[in-house]
Amino acid sequence: NAGVMQNPRHLVRRRGQEARLRCSPMKGHSHVYWYRQLPEEGLKFMVYLQKENIIDESGMPKERFSAEFPKEGPSILRIQQVVRGDSAAYFCASSPSPPGRATGNTIYFGEGSWLTVV
Amino acid sequence: QKEVEQNSGPLSVPEGAIASLNCTYSDRGSQSFFWYRQYSGKSPELIMSIYSNGDKEDGRFTAQLNKASQYVSLLIRDSQPSDSATYLCAVNLVGASKIIFGSGTRLSIRP
Repeated sequence: NAGVMQNPRHLVRRRGQEARLRCSPMKGHSHVYWYRQLPEEGLKFMVYLQKENIIDESGMPKERFSAEFPKEGPSILRIQQVVRGDSAAYFCASSPSPPGRATGNTIYFGEGSWLTVV
Repeated sequence: QKEVEQNSGPLSVPEGAIASLNCTYSDRGSQSFFWYRQYSGKSPELIMSIYSNGDKEDGRFTAQLNKASQYVSLLIRDSQPSDSATYLCAVNLVGASKIIFGSGTRLSIRP
């Protein structure tokens, strides 16, 4: 997972502020996934993106959350008007192609971004 | 029913023994299965992937898959204190490119 770069590693925001989390996938990977992990809980899928396209956002909250993966630059997960319940670890993962048996691929995680809302 | 279910533990195993971690999944057509290890405060790291029924061995780790029972397990032989972590079972759902994770099993290896 050393190749997936996330920043910031730790972010503190006051309620109502915006949080922006960035993810640069491993070299050669064009598929990016965002997961959220609440304290003492498992990883919850949020969104799957390819360059310039959102493929699956079924895990994204309907309001305040958005994600993008532009042609140039990192993927960004944006949380507007943060609330205390948004405090969590946000993990980005990447793969060279869709994961699964056909490709033999899986996803590799970055070190995570820990968001604390005060 | 959750898509991927694991016993949350903690599972306590003496050093040197075999640790057995279990996982069930709901989507019968799922074809790809993964085990990740996560230390506290760290990101998940891939241990094993398995796609076919049967056993797959890699060092001290063996993954077992039984699609008929919708069951996948991870065995850790000669357990070491460094194996103490949370183990996450993950499944690639049919027709989807996302990987869904179970809530994890906390494993504790006691000296």
